[in-house]
Amino acid sequence: EVQLVESGGGLVQPGGSLRLSCAASGFTFSSYWLSWVRQAPGKGLEWVANVKQEGNEKYYVDSVKGRFTISRDNAKNSVYLQMNNLRAEDTAVYYCARDYMGRSEHWGQGTLVTVSS
Amino acid sequence: AIRMTQSPSSFSASTGDRVTITCRASQGISNSLAWYQQKPGKAPNLLIYSASTLQSGVPSRFSGSGSGTDFTLTISCLQSEDFATYYCQQYYSYPRTFGQGTKVEIK
Repeated sequence: EVQLVESGGGLVQPGGSLRLSCAASGFTFSSYWLSWVRQAPGKGLEWVANVKQEGNEKYYVDSVKGRFTISRDNAKNSVYLQMNNLRAEDTAVYYCARDYMGRSEHWGQGTLVTVSS
Repeated sequence: AIRMTQSPSSFSASTGDRVTITCRASQGISNSLAWYQQKPGKAPNLLIYSASTLQSGVPSRFSGSGSGTDFTLTISCLQSEDFATYYCQQYYSYPRTFGQGTKVEIK
């Protein structure tokens, strides 16, 4: 069974940093693109970033470029999102997802990030 | 970025109804479109990809159509478990973008 489990969320002050992790199991991790998608409270879905199988190709939404970094460790079956210089508008539930041919087929349960003083 | 616009934003329907949600892309995306269902407090669930291909395990009452800029999601006979919010997403180009969502409520 495919499982994706996010962790690392919490309360952080504006300008602070946080590193999210997503631990995967139940599939050959190194064969898939992985994405992060977020959802602000009461709002819709926003794609944040994704990373190719080898980790050598990454894409970001403009609003996080230069502040967030996606990475993966295929030996640990994990994908990460390093978030720096956080803003109030980054407050959201962050989901990791396994992608196939562009679509997100499997999702984790999400981890809540709250940016507030 | 490609803008995805769904309509309506919300509506009420009854069990057994046939419902249709539309999604329009600001530029052509071929058939690189997915539909997701999301229930409160839960992660999204992939329903349809490539505009019209049903994801494994999804009931056949769900169907999708369209290509280019205009797409539709149809639920042929609404069931109680289908009351949820539905999102379209294009994966034709970066950044990936979602529609704003369509909430289907009980009448």
